[in-house]
Amino acid sequence: QSVVTQPPSASGTPGQRVTISCSGSNSNIGSNTVNWYRQFPGTAPKLLIYSSNQRPSGVPDRFSGSKSGTSASLAISGLQSEDEADYYCSAWDDTLRGPVFGGGTKLTVL
Amino acid sequence: EVQLVESGGGLVQPGGSLKLSCAASGFAFSGFAIHWVRQASGKGLEWVGRIRSKANGYTTAFPASVKGRFAISRDDSKNTAYLQMNSLKTEDTALYYCTRLFGGDAFDIWGQGTMVSVSS
Repeated sequence: QSVVTQPPSASGTPGQRVTISCSGSNSNIGSNTVNWYRQFPGTAPKLLIYSSNQRPSGVPDRFSGSKSGTSASLAISGLQSEDEADYYCSAWDDTLRGPVFGGGTKLTVL
Repeated sequence: EVQLVESGGGLVQPGGSLKLSCAASGFAFSGFAIHWVRQASGKGLEWVGRIRSKANGYTTAFPASVKGRFAISRDDSKNTAYLQMNSLKTEDTALYYCTRLFGGDAFDIWGQGTMVSVSS
């Protein structure tokens, strides 16, 4: 059971905008930035958003992140079939003194 | 090409030991902290531990689930980090990734993972 909570699943149709939420506590999201990772089956996670709202080079601007208090969200606009994957949020936890990950959200493109 | 490559996984009996390697290439390995993250089949990501750079004293940290059983070291001359796992339990069965810490707390480079199975 993760200390950071994500919905296990999300879905949308092509072209739609979807959001994935991530809820934590004062020791993690409340006091540190949030990162998002995307993982396709059988492959390693890939950094999608860092510092809550920054995109690494090469990540399309269809992906955006935000944070407020102890919650964060990832938004994907112009949903495409290739966006179907597992998405994980993560934040440093001051109590653990290491990163904590959400349980992951499986995004399905209908 | 910037990459991390893990090796050393395998099948081990409960109570046994295994040492994983993480070989880096394409970047200045010595300047980065290296973390290990594991993923049990069909499950989420779990942080396993980290080792900082020489400039930060090569300090290590671990979560309670592996503290006292796992150790991390590195050889900057070989651009390689290691995860020594002792007193292995069945619940340690997972795909183990090494990853590079970028900025304050994001992991920007990941290896392909190496599978560890703990079973009798």
